Amino acid sequence: DQQVKQNSPSLSVQEGRISILNCDYTNSMFDYFLWYKKYPAEGPTFLISISSIKDKNEDGRFTVFLNKSAKHLSLHIVPSQPGDSAVYFCAASVQGAQKLVFGQGTRLTINP
Amino acid sequence: ETGVTQSPTHLIKTRGQQVTLRCSSQSGHNTVSWYQQALGQGPQFIFQYYREEENGRGNFPPRFSGLQFPNYSSELNVNALELDDSALYLCASSLRLTTDTQYFGPGTRLTVL
Repeated sequence: DQQVKQNSPSLSVQEGRISILNCDYTNSMFDYFLWYKKYPAEGPTFLISISSIKDKNEDGRFTVFLNKSAKHLSLHIVPSQPGDSAVYFCAASVQGAQKLVFGQGTRLTINP
Repeated sequence: ETGVTQSPTHLIKTRGQQVTLRCSSQSGHNTVSWYQQALGQGPQFIFQYYREEENGRGNFPPRFSGLQFPNYSSELNVNALELDDSALYLCASSLRLTTDTQYFGPGTRLTVL
């Protein structure tokens, strides 16, 4: 049972444009959501998070949007840069619980 | 502030053997979680340790076990290795039990032949 889904295995975006990565979840108990970025041969790096009491959180070029009624979140990167090329994972948890539940990841490629 | 480190980087074992993977958490982080990442998948939660005691476990059999030490280091032990145990094993530390932002190490790539 895949509780967190990233339905796009890959995404290609031109440098300078907006990248939008999507994530859906099924467990309505989730109340904290995170995005991680992973380069080859490195562990996932925390990017940005959002609590379910908010619908938007912004940090520099990165913005996460949460639509609780649709059980959907998205990560916007603008403007996209070549260094943003990586695999992006969304993750969800119940605050205070032990585990993060991850999606399968989306490989983002930024083309010059 | 040092990051999370893991050793070894790569490991090759044969089916039936036992393996120990090591992790050093960020200083002051008393919570460590272990994840298994199979090829093409997201990380899957194995278990979490808080103040040297197991504090939650995912859907993994008892042959996966762990230890956490007072010096912020921890171990993941896997007995009776199976071919499907081949994966990237990640540890992640967090400052407090209630902090959900976890900081990951680079992982150990385990291959079981």
